[in-house]
Amino acid sequence: AQSVTQLDSHVSVSEGTPVLLRCNYSSSYSPSLFWYVQHPNKGLQLLLKYTSAATLVKGINGFEAEFKKSETSFHLTKPSAHMSDAAEYFCVVSDQNSGYSTLTFGKGTMLLVSP
Amino acid sequence: DGGITQSPKYLFRKEGQNVTLSCEQNLNHDAMYWYRQDPGQGLRLIYYSQIVNDFQKGDIAEGYSVSREKKESFPLTVTSAQKNPTAFYLCASRETAHNSPLHFGNGTRLTVT
Repeated sequence: AQSVTQLDSHVSVSEGTPVLLRCNYSSSYSPSLFWYVQHPNKGLQLLLKYTSAATLVKGINGFEAEFKKSETSFHLTKPSAHMSDAAEYFCVVSDQNSGYSTLTFGKGTMLLVSP
Repeated sequence: DGGITQSPKYLFRKEGQNVTLSCEQNLNHDAMYWYRQDPGQGLRLIYYSQIVNDFQKGDIAEGYSVSREKKESFPLTVTSAQKNPTAFYLCASRETAHNSPLHFGNGTRLTVT
């Protein structure tokens, strides 16, 4: 069985300061991991994905994430927050199970950015 | 541009009425999904389909029905049996490989009074 834990339901930062959104996972197989962003009343947009290539993954809008197998983590970071980054972020794990793929979502982390 | 179209964006219904939410994709993806989103609960899987004319129940299928007659289309019907239908509904599609990401539509907000 697989699971995802987003360790913070809310994170508050000031504009221009670093962002860290934490995600831990468990998976019985070699996982693929994704981060998505959702602005209010919108669908989810893919930020980045890890699929067993480089462990440091760069995504859109200056975000990146590092896959750490020993820590079962896939934390999302950004060096400098912008006001437009205020949104909800979801960590997702996918692995091969019984011949078909299953996806598990974290509960989400709301990022608040203050001026 | 390829993508997923959900319609309508907002939908209002009276209690006891069935309602159908539309989802169309032109990404040529085999797999399609319906999720329900409630505040603080993340996304919960309602139904998914890996191929035309086949679909499986997700975690919260009770009170919902789907069809997959065409590869491009995966409509969701919210029936009167669904106890709390008011929610934000998201449709998604992906290629069937497990490392393929989901592509989402912009959602339908359903309000039942």
